[in-house]
Amino acid sequence: DVVMTQSPLSLPVTLGQPASISCSCSQSLVHSDGNTYLNWFQQRPGQSPRRLIHKVSNRDSGVPDRFSGSGSGTDFTLIISRVEAEDVGVYYCMQGTHRPFTFGQGTRLEIK
Amino acid sequence: EVQLVESGGGLVQPGRSLRLSCTASGFTFGDYTLSWFRQPPGKDLEWVGFIRAKGYGGTPEYAASVKGRFTISRDDSTSLGYLQMDSLKIEDTAVYYCGRGAGGSDYWGQGTLVTVSS
Repeated sequence: DVVMTQSPLSLPVTLGQPASISCSCSQSLVHSDGNTYLNWFQQRPGQSPRRLIHKVSNRDSGVPDRFSGSGSGTDFTLIISRVEAEDVGVYYCMQGTHRPFTFGQGTRLEIK
Repeated sequence: EVQLVESGGGLVQPGRSLRLSCTASGFTFGDYTLSWFRQPPGKDLEWVGFIRAKGYGGTPEYAASVKGRFTISRDDSTSLGYLQMDSLKIEDTAVYYCGRGAGGSDYWGQGTLVTVSS
């Protein structure tokens, strides 16, 4: 199975400051079809997960442009350019290239 | 508006069965793979499995932890997906979510809690 390792696991951030979460994978996520199925999800307290980013860097509809994704191969990053109060929650990377699909351990973002 | 609503969760004894439903609306259900995920209380997300759209064979795939015990099915005529869970174990206790698509579902339901306990 592909192991997804996120860092940091806890991320205290001051409002208006940037935040960065890393996701490192145990093998390349490039699919045989040429796509890289790396997703980022946000899970606010008491809510179900919401997809923010798919295929590394594609923002989902309705996602603010302060969220961006980058990376390739085995190393990926989610950046929030200016953290707002509504961004509090747990962020997960998830790979959809190799079955079984696997998630990172989650990064808990809190306001400092 | 795309919506997915899970139902059927509850308290069940170890070794018993439970069937969850996922009611879809706001899109052409039959065009999409349907995925299932779970999240034990206070823990991380886990992929359970999916069933492909009929156009891609309509076949299911499962995580090793549930293969042989869980069965995913679908009824495109009613926009319903199902997760049949047999031989339940205490470690199957979780909130179960259905999601649209595979490889990173773009819409998820609100989840239904399954508690396996004697």
